[in-house]
Amino acid sequence: DAKTTQPNSMESNEEEPVHLPCNHSTISGTDYIHWYRQLPSQGPEYVIHGLTSNVNNRMASLAIAEDRKSSTLILHRATLRDAAVYYCILRDRGGGADGLTFGKGTHLIIQP
Amino acid sequence: EAGVTQFPSHSVIEKGQTVTLRCDPISGHDNLYWYRRVMGKEIKFLLHFVKESKQDESGMPNNRFLAERTGGTYSTLKVQPAELEDSGVYFCASSHARRSSYNSPLHFGNGTRLTVT
Repeated sequence: DAKTTQPNSMESNEEEPVHLPCNHSTISGTDYIHWYRQLPSQGPEYVIHGLTSNVNNRMASLAIAEDRKSSTLILHRATLRDAAVYYCILRDRGGGADGLTFGKGTHLIIQP
Repeated sequence: EAGVTQFPSHSVIEKGQTVTLRCDPISGHDNLYWYRRVMGKEIKFLLHFVKESKQDESGMPNNRFLAERTGGTYSTLKVQPAELEDSGVYFCASSHARRSSYNSPLHFGNGTRLTVT
């Protein structure tokens, strides 16, 4: 899987939007961009994924740059429950190993 | 639907002993994965089952680890004999697609915390 780069940590206030960046300059044309998060003492949890177009679901939005070399996970209104480590992961639809490759992720801190 | 369940949630054993971790995937999920996070490190892939067959076991650290999924339902991960460096959190995940794809999210359990003393 291609490598992604994320900030180690970010801090935001409750009820404000949060923009979590991810760089993936070596992304291939067959890579999907997936986001997972891990809350304290829990397993990772799927958040959202996309290929080229921006995506929205009940949890978040995913904005993908036109050249696909970067993306941003958007939490529209952060709550304390959103405090977690967020992982940006590339997943190849072209075959190969199917396991997710987790990096260090971004530790999101939410201030009340 | 019930999520992925793992048992036990915690296990403390002595070096040289054997431990068996169990994972019950979401019903109907053909794909089952094992991951682990050792202290201070990133979450690492161990192996992937499609039903009862091992699709990819490239992440298994050594032959002290044995994973099985008889009947294609629940899976076990046995560590024998356990070493100190095996301590960490072992996660299981499952996904729905008959043939796992880029588009099928993984559902993770809450993990088993293994401590080897």
